[in-house]
Amino acid sequence: GDSVTQMEGPVTLSEEAFLTINCTYTATGYPSLFWYVQYPGEGLQLLLKATKADDKGSNKGFEATYRKETTSFHLEKGSVQVSDSAVYFCALSAGYSTLTFGKGTMLLVSP
Amino acid sequence: EAQVTQNPRYLITVTGKKLTVTCSQNMNHEYMSWYRQDPGLGLRQIYYSMNVEVTDKGDVPEGYKVSRKEKRNFPLILESPSPNQTSLYFCASTGRGGATNEKLFFGSGTQLSVL
Repeated sequence: GDSVTQMEGPVTLSEEAFLTINCTYTATGYPSLFWYVQYPGEGLQLLLKATKADDKGSNKGFEATYRKETTSFHLEKGSVQVSDSAVYFCALSAGYSTLTFGKGTMLLVSP
Repeated sequence: EAQVTQNPRYLITVTGKKLTVTCSQNMNHEYMSWYRQDPGLGLRQIYYSMNVEVTDKGDVPEGYKVSRKEKRNFPLILESPSPNQTSLYFCASTGRGGATNEKLFFGSGTQLSVL
């Protein structure tokens, strides 16, 4: 079945550091790929998405590129802020009915 | 304001006492879904609905029921809760494109504790 593997956290960074959160997937067909973010005490929000190979999703300074050859969708940001502290979920959808989520990676950014 | 509203936000109950967690969306979305979030396991889908009167099982449906009598509402029912259903629950909805092409809108979550 479909699956998503994320790097375990927490990831601890200082403000303005470079961020990478690794995500790889296993799926049949050509899934759409997503990053969702969950701030403390809130529900998940879509951060960015890519629907086909080589697409780059971007939002709020975050980027991720759909790499079919390596089945990856790594999240990057050039300079993190304290306000980026949250849990980040990589997800894929191979059909209408559901998203398959990774286990989540907690990011902690200190001033 | 477009939103998914879940109630209650927190719920403590005892084993075997039936409960319902409500979910309502104001975006006229066809698709609605329930997830549970557990430490180290991420989010797992319980049930989903593609439209009124159409529901189907997700990955972890045991011990749960749902109904979709109106487009805006998708309640989650625990007929006889057990401690292993202690979890953080999220309702989500999206439009005609479904989970593949549309972003999911999530509620703020319901923290359930079953003693």
